[in-house]
Amino acid sequence: AQKVTQAQTEISVVEKEDVTLDCVYETRDTTYYLFWYKQPPSGELVFLIRRNSFDEQNEISGRYSWNFQKSTSSFNFTITASQVVDSAVYFCALSDLTYNFNKFYFGSGTKLNVKP
Amino acid sequence: KAGVTQTPRYLIKTRGQQVTLSCSPISGHRSVSWYQQTPGQGLQFLFEYFSETQRNKGNFPGRFSGRQFSNSRSEMNVSTLELGDSALYLCASSSTNTEAFFGQGTRLTVV
Repeated sequence: AQKVTQAQTEISVVEKEDVTLDCVYETRDTTYYLFWYKQPPSGELVFLIRRNSFDEQNEISGRYSWNFQKSTSSFNFTITASQVVDSAVYFCALSDLTYNFNKFYFGSGTKLNVKP
Repeated sequence: KAGVTQTPRYLIKTRGQQVTLSCSPISGHRSVSWYQQTPGQGLQFLFEYFSETQRNKGNFPGRFSGRQFSNSRSEMNVSTLELGDSALYLCASSSTNTEAFFGQGTRLTVV
């Protein structure tokens, strides 16, 4: 069965601090996709990154970086020099290899509070 | 390019009533899926439609149903509403080999 665990329910940091959000997943599939989404108070889920199971290369996008390790079934997300605008709930998700990645198994989310 | 549009944004219904929520996907996207988000259960997959056919279904009772029209717009219906159906209902659309784009959701309150 597919499962995503985000053990950190809520994290509070002060602006400019670095913060890492943890994500651990379980799947029997050899081919799968991992995602991170951000949910601001307005409600919509905003796509941040997609990674397939064959690509363990870490990725950096501005202040965001992701560390994918198949050996530990983890896909962690780091925000460098956090800003107040980063305050949101962040979800890690796993998808089967379907036609269009539209069935997700979500973690419970991590609420990030960035204080000025 | 317009995003995913969900209507209405907010809804208050009474127990026992039924409700219909609407989702207009991004133009050209043929897949629409629905998720229920509650504080207790988190984000849970309801069902997915592709070209007017339901391809996937989550573990929800038969009171939850949906459909998709030829223009890819989708509706979901919940009959005989219960207090526990109070949630944020999110719709996502995608094209082949792209990530899913989510709407802002419909917040349903059952009283």
